[in-house]
Amino acid sequence: GQSLEQPSEVTAVEGAIVQINCTYQTSGFYGLSWYQQHDGGAPTFLSYNALDGLEETGRFSSFLSRSDSYGYLLLQELQMKDSASYFCAVRDPAGNYQLIWGAGTKLIIKP
Amino acid sequence: DTAVSQTPKYLVTQMGNDKSIKCEQNLGHDTMYWYKQDSKKFLKIMFSYNNKELIINETVPNRFSPKSPDKAHLNLHINSLELGDSAVYFCASSPRQEAYNEQFFGPGTRLTVL
Repeated sequence: GQSLEQPSEVTAVEGAIVQINCTYQTSGFYGLSWYQQHDGGAPTFLSYNALDGLEETGRFSSFLSRSDSYGYLLLQELQMKDSASYFCAVRDPAGNYQLIWGAGTKLIIKP
Repeated sequence: DTAVSQTPKYLVTQMGNDKSIKCEQNLGHDTMYWYKQDSKKFLKIMFSYNNKELIINETVPNRFSPKSPDKAHLNLHINSLELGDSAVYFCASSPRQEAYNEQFFGPGTRLTVL
């Protein structure tokens, strides 16, 4: 079967660094994406990794290791507005490149 | 200008009714999607259209019927609504499914079936 595993909830302190992990088992792989969703809002795209390594976009970075079927999202200098759910998703060429989604990680930030 | 819009934002209805949700994107994208997000926040693709042609039809009851009159619109019609249909439905779009990584989501339609 196809599955993505990520922690259901992570708690961190404002100003700190937090890492949200994602491991995947899919029939095909064409890249790992990360989306952010605030309560009551829509998912919004954060980053995409097709190749191994680290991609940095401001305070957010995303990492991929294809040999380990693993990736993570790193959030630095946490702000209260970063409180949201974070989803990893794999593009599967075997399934018309549709996104296979993880169940999401709720990030709780404490002052 | 709203990129991907959906109407209505909230929909409360009785079991057995038929309802429609409309979606429009003004981004010029070729591909549009319908997702269902349940109470546990799990996002599941339902349908995908590329230039008005159905390319993904996941295991969804026949009561759900998408319609794409043109590539900027993808509507979702649901017949004989059931309690289990209560969820948030998101429309999304992307330039070309196989080539583009980012999907742009509409604000969602929260459907409550009583």
